[in-house]
Amino acid sequence: IAGITQAPTSQILAAGRRMTLRCTQDMRHNAMYWYRQDLGLGLRLIHYSNTAGTTGKGEVPDGYSVSRANTDDFPLTLASAVPSQTSVYFCASSQGVTGELFFGEGSRLTVL
Amino acid sequence: GQNIDQPTEMTATEGAIVQINCTYQTSGFNGLFWYQQHAGEAPTFLSYNVLDGLEEKGRFSSFLSRSKGYSYLLLKELQMKDSASYLCAVRDSNYQLIWGAGTKLIIKP
Repeated sequence: IAGITQAPTSQILAAGRRMTLRCTQDMRHNAMYWYRQDLGLGLRLIHYSNTAGTTGKGEVPDGYSVSRANTDDFPLTLASAVPSQTSVYFCASSQGVTGELFFGEGSRLTVL
Repeated sequence: GQNIDQPTEMTATEGAIVQINCTYQTSGFNGLFWYQQHAGEAPTFLSYNVLDGLEEKGRFSSFLSRSKGYSYLLLKELQMKDSASYLCAVRDSNYQLIWGAGTKLIIKP
């Protein structure tokens, strides 16, 4: 089934640890995104990539990094996790920057 | 700054009609999206408006007025499965999506 796969689905992490959230899509979409969703707030863009080999900063990039080595994969890394990074993280993709977004199932991260 | 406003929560009765409003102030406009998100799940695409007017898709319709910075999502013949959050998002002049906080819709029998 075509779509976006995120891993892990859920993770509890000690503060200060490094964590990588994985995201893979098989729709050959050019653009990919990482959002975080917190209660009472809209989806907030962390980082994006309009095409393989390029990345950009979103609204809340601090403490996060991404890479886009190929079309399919867009991992998100927390170099040293802090409790304020407790959130649900969604990876998404779109065909170009004007298309609708398709979302992965989300990764629930708790930083203690 | 850029802002999307939607009601936090709405309640409606099964079989009825409900209208969820969205107002926006953004740097430019390149389209407005509505997404549905069931609790604990990912958002899924419902509709897209880039020109003024009404777009109808089955039980769901979405309206846009660019001059008023206003959109609404109309849900007809409500079903219990329509209980979800509805997210409004606007694509600005840089083609970035600005998201509202979502409207939680509660359907009662």
